[in-house]
Formats: sequence, structure tokens, C-alpha cells
Amino acid sequence: EAGVAQSPRYKIIEKRQSVAFWCNPISGHATLYWYQQILGQGPKLLIQFQNNGVVDDSQLPKDRFSAERLKGVDSTLKIQPAKLEDSAVYLCASSPGVGAAKNIQYFGAGTRLSVL
Amino acid sequence: AQSVTQLGSHVSVSEGALVLLRCNYSSSVPPYLFWYVQYPNQGLQLLLKYTSAATLVKGINGFEAEFKKSETSFHLTKPSAHMSDAAEYFCAVSRERDDKIIFGKGTRLHILP
Repeated sequence: EAGVAQSPRYKIIEKRQSVAFWCNPISGHATLYWYQQILGQGPKLLIQFQNNGVVDDSQLPKDRFSAERLKGVDSTLKIQPAKLEDSAVYLCASSPGVGAAKNIQYFGAGTRLSVL
Repeated sequence: AQSVTQLGSHVSVSEGALVLLRCNYSSSVPPYLFWYVQYPNQGLQLLLKYTSAATLVKGINGFEAEFKKSETSFHLTKPSAHMSDAAEYFCAVSRERDDKIIFGKGTRLHILP
């Protein structure tokens, strides 16, 4: 079974530029999550999708961050314009959303963003 | 509100020694508890999960954790550390009816030769 795929692995941009990250979850997983992991901290949930609908985006800075999940499969997270404090690893995770494995999330390798 | 507190941002143990990583949780409802491991430049991988069945949970790579309700703890242990165990470990909590996970700040485990 293929895991959660993310691209790019690394991105360096200057402040005020825009950037986009892509995530392809495990096939059949209904729930998709985007996390922000700042150095030295645990992952913080930015947004959660159930199929192509948003379940929770309460911690997403909506003035600069946006996310979509087209057709309930892959997802894109965008930052526009980026700030220095956005430097972090952006992790995508997916889970079946139902059944015994409902609470288990499977993570991609992440995209490391550096904002200069 | 749920939360987890991991005691010690860095823990060093000698190869072959006992590994003990501490986690205390706060939850107003019966929790699901997790330990995840993150190797350098990789995503998080599930080590083990507690779901109110057995209080002693065995995970991958020889790790296990014990749920102690009276102490609100879920400490992670491994009898004998290996160099390959060097990584960052995250304790996490979710509600039984929910699939949202709250992560602790993590503990970086260093293995000394």
C-alpha cells in the first residue's frame, strides 16, 4: 500500500512570495489533515477535510493560508503572502475516517519551508 | 479540553539501557492515547495506540506503554535502547468519538554509545 505522498520536500522562498504544497493521501482514506510543525514543537492542526468538505479550519490563518481538496482525493495548501514565521515543516496526514482505524493518522514525509 | 505534557524535551540513554519517555494527559472523557516517532527528515510513524482495552500496550520496535488512569500517565518504555531508536517521540491524545489528535511538544531521544 502506497503511503501519503507530499511534494516538494523542500522549498525556500522570500517573504511576501507565495508557495503551494501538494498532498496525495492513502487511497480510500476519507479524512485528510494538514499540520504545521515549527522546529522544536509538536504538529499543530491547520485544517481537516472529510472527503472534499472542511471539518475544522479553526487554526488556519485564513488571511494568508488556503487549502482545498479537489474531488475528495489530493489536496493543496497555499500560503500567500508568506511571512518569516511560516518557516516550518508542513505535514499531510490521512486516516480512514471510519472503523477500527478511525483514530489512526498516517503521515507523509512533509515539506520543509524556509522563508527568508 | 484535551492536552498532553511530555516531561523532558531531550532524553539521553546509553545503548542497551532502559528507555523511559514520560507523558501525562488531560482529558475530560476517556481518551485514546498514542505514541508517534519521527526520524530525521521523515513524517510521523505510529508506535502504539491505547483504546481502553488492555492497559499495557505493545508497539513496534520493542516499545510498550502503560496507561495509568490514577496517574493520568502514558509513559513509553523499551527495555534495551538501540542506536536506531534515536529520534523524536510524540505523545498524543484524542477523544474516543473524535479523530482529531492533539500532540505534545515531543521528546528527542539520544542514544549514547
